[in-house]
Amino acid sequence: DVKVTQSSRYLVKRTGEKVFLECVQDMDHENMFWYRQDPGLGLRLIYFSYDVKMKEKGDIPEGYSVSREKKERFSLILESASTNQTSMYLCASIGSQRGAKKETQYFGPGTRLLVL
Amino acid sequence: GQQLNQSPQSMFIQEGEDVSMNCTSSSIFNTWLWYKQEPGEGPVLLIALYKAGELTSNGRLTAQFGITRKDSFLNISASIPSDVGIYFCAGQWGSQGNLIFGKGTKLSVKP
Repeated sequence: DVKVTQSSRYLVKRTGEKVFLECVQDMDHENMFWYRQDPGLGLRLIYFSYDVKMKEKGDIPEGYSVSREKKERFSLILESASTNQTSMYLCASIGSQRGAKKETQYFGPGTRLLVL
Repeated sequence: GQQLNQSPQSMFIQEGEDVSMNCTSSSIFNTWLWYKQEPGEGPVLLIALYKAGELTSNGRLTAQFGITRKDSFLNISASIPSDVGIYFCAGQWGSQGNLIFGKGTKLSVKP
């Protein structure tokens, strides 16, 4: 089975703190994504990466940065957390399950971040 | 920009009933995906569709990729209480796997 894991299920941080959200996938996928999910707004793409050390801005990159030093790991960084970044953060990767030809996108379990 | 319209927004049904939901867009997609999300969890892939006209089943779930490549539907037959959750459609475009998501259909099933 494809596995996308996120380092924390729940996080509570204070305004101004630097926050790291880690995502790891074990399927050798090249493309990885960070979304945030908010009630009424659905899933919104923050950043994505299609290769090691490569990154592209999504729809709402402001206030975030990312790091992809290794293929299996894609980190989302909140340089100075603010209360409007309280949200559910979802990591995803795209690729094929072993033995399958077609690609699809798989999600991690999510990190629920509360910024006080 | 691209938009997906997913309907209905929510459904309240009796156990045993069939359910249908759909997504439409003015844009063309090369893949349609359907996910289910339960509270506090990430979306879990239910069905992936790769070709216009494709009809795919996964147990009691059936989804179709519209012929125009601008729409897709998901049917759930004989619903059960554990079908409760939010169902999302997603259309994939481009070569890097970019997805656009519908706003979700919240399904409630009364035993």
